[in-house]
Amino acid sequence: GESVGLHLPTLSVQEGDNSIINCAYSNSASDYFIWYKQESGKGPQFIIDIRSNMDKRQGQRVTVLLNKTVKHLSLQIAATQPGDSAVYFCADSSGGYQKVTFGTGTKLQVIP
Amino acid sequence: ETGVTQSPTHLIKTRGQQVTLRCSSQSGHNTVSWYQQALGQGPQFIFQYYREEENGRGNFPPRFSGLQFPNYSSELNVNALELDDSALYLCASSSGTEHEKLFFGSGTQLSVL
Repeated sequence: GESVGLHLPTLSVQEGDNSIINCAYSNSASDYFIWYKQESGKGPQFIIDIRSNMDKRQGQRVTVLLNKTVKHLSLQIAATQPGDSAVYFCADSSGGYQKVTFGTGTKLQVIP
Repeated sequence: ETGVTQSPTHLIKTRGQQVTLRCSSQSGHNTVSWYQQALGQGPQFIFQYYREEENGRGNFPPRFSGLQFPNYSSELNVNALELDDSALYLCASSSGTEHEKLFFGSGTQLSVL
């Protein structure tokens, strides 16, 4: 079936460096993409989203890039901080009743 | 603005029992979605409620059922609990104009023994 998946289960980054988390999706009908951050003991927290009519969107220290040609999504975190340590999920939606499908997650470890 | 709240935070049940989990949506949100998150996995969509009606369902058996109330709060009921039902159950609310932009509660950790 359709799925949203991640390339790397764990990513270790030095504090102050930039982080890049990648995600591949398979549903060609997906038109909305979201990145969530989940800290231990908490629910997922919305970070940033992007619609399929865009290829880049920037937030505070975060940028999402969308490449529809190869069905690839990435999250870039600038100047990574210890507070960024968490599991990051990409998710997608393809309209209809707005079901949001999550990938399996990437754990980001920030090394002080 | 009040966020999404879920109760209880932790629950232990035995196989075959029934459980009810509760969720209060964020103020101004009329849509509630429920997700199951197994350890080390991403959340899996169970169902969504909009205006007190089920508005979509994932690949979960009928023993998973839900309700939404006029104040938009919601319940998730699971009958005949199985060991594999042990998971974190997440509730998320969203607004009528941005259904996909989910705001999650902290979840209910269910353990089935």
